[in-house]
This record gives sequence, C-alpha cells and structure tokens, in this order.
Amino acid sequence: GQQLNQSPQSMFIQEGEDVSMNCTSSSIFNTWLWYKQDPGEGPVLLIALYKAGELTSNGRLTAQFGITRKDSFLNISASIPSDVGIYFCAGAVSSGSRLTFGEGTQLTVNP
Amino acid sequence: GAVVSQHPSWVICKSGTSVKIECRSLDFQATTMFWYRQFPKQSLMLMATSNEGSKATYEQGVEKDKFLINHASLTLSTLTVTSAHPEDSSFYICSARDDAEMLPGELFFGEGSRLTVL
Repeated sequence: GQQLNQSPQSMFIQEGEDVSMNCTSSSIFNTWLWYKQDPGEGPVLLIALYKAGELTSNGRLTAQFGITRKDSFLNISASIPSDVGIYFCAGAVSSGSRLTFGEGTQLTVNP
Repeated sequence: GAVVSQHPSWVICKSGTSVKIECRSLDFQATTMFWYRQFPKQSLMLMATSNEGSKATYEQGVEKDKFLINHASLTLSTLTVTSAHPEDSSFYICSARDDAEMLPGELFFGEGSRLTVL
C-alpha cells in the first residue's frame, strides 16, 4: 500500500530557530496536508496543498507541494515554545480517498 | 473553520464492558467520517470509513464485530468498542469531510477519546 516517509522523526531546537521537515512517497499524491497534534488532542490542519509546485504560507509556516507530487516539506520560521507538538504530513490521491499519514515529527522547542 | 466534536474525551471501563464514542460535525454535514486509532508516539491508523446510511468499510485486520460503527445521520457517527479488553486501550480519533467543501482531501479531526480498559 501507499506509505509516507516523514523525517526527521524528532527535533530538538532552540527558540527562534527555523525548522524544516519533509515527507516523501513512492507513489503520487494529488493533495498534501500538514497537521499538528498537541498531546491528548486531535490533529489540527495547518496547511493544505492541491497543486504540484504550490508554495503556501500560514503565518510562520510554509509548505510546498513537490513538483513530482511525491514529496512535500514544511518549514517553521522563528520557532516559539508553543510550536511544540507532533507534526504529521498526509496525502490523498483523490477527493474521496482516505488520507495516508506520515509517521510524524516530534518537535521540541527549548526556551 | 469546521468543527468536529468527540465525546467522551476520556473513559475508563472494566474489561468485558462496551464503550460508545460519539463523533459529531457541529457546523457542517458529513456523509463520510473516519475512525482512527493511535498508540503512544505513533501515527494515526485508519480503522474504518463510516458512511451515512450504509455499512462502514473496515480496514484489513480490524474486527467489525469488535468495533461497531453506526453513522445514522449526516452529523453523527458512533464507534462502539464491544467487550473491551486491556489491549483495546488507545486514543481513538474521528475525522469528517465537509460535504459542501469543494477542495479535495481536507479532513477535520475531533479532539480524540482516550480509552483505558482495566
């Protein structure tokens, strides 16, 4: 089946640093989504990407839909303590299809 | 944005009992909802796809008689863990797709329900 490889698995950074994480797939996705999950909560949608090559920002977050449609990255600039959490990428083949999730990136921000 | 609410947020039960978890879309209609299970420090694992007015579609390896899903209306899906055992202890999360949303793929998640079976 489809798999998403997300890296890194975890990151420990200082407040103010920039962060980058990415997801790769062996198959094509037509939608890429990035979610953040806080402990004991459900995932919250951060950014949605619908077009190959698309670059989208949401505040300090920027995500890109890879031109091959097999990868995506998420950047967080000037990290702050509340950025702590698990970030998941997710891909969908079509509008009615299920989401395939990456394994998650655990982000820790030291003040 | 779209809001999905789960209830209860946590539940502790004795082994052998059944537990029902509700998932509601508060401000939109959802023909399709999804149920996930998440173990600590792991990703979300899709258990089943819930379709309003029809039977749920279960993923391979998920026992449909163990995890009963009912999607009786366009805003409510329920997951019942029957005869729960300690190995069923997990974080269960639902998600829903807005029927009116034209953009593909977006799912909105509930807050999750922590089940602990003693």
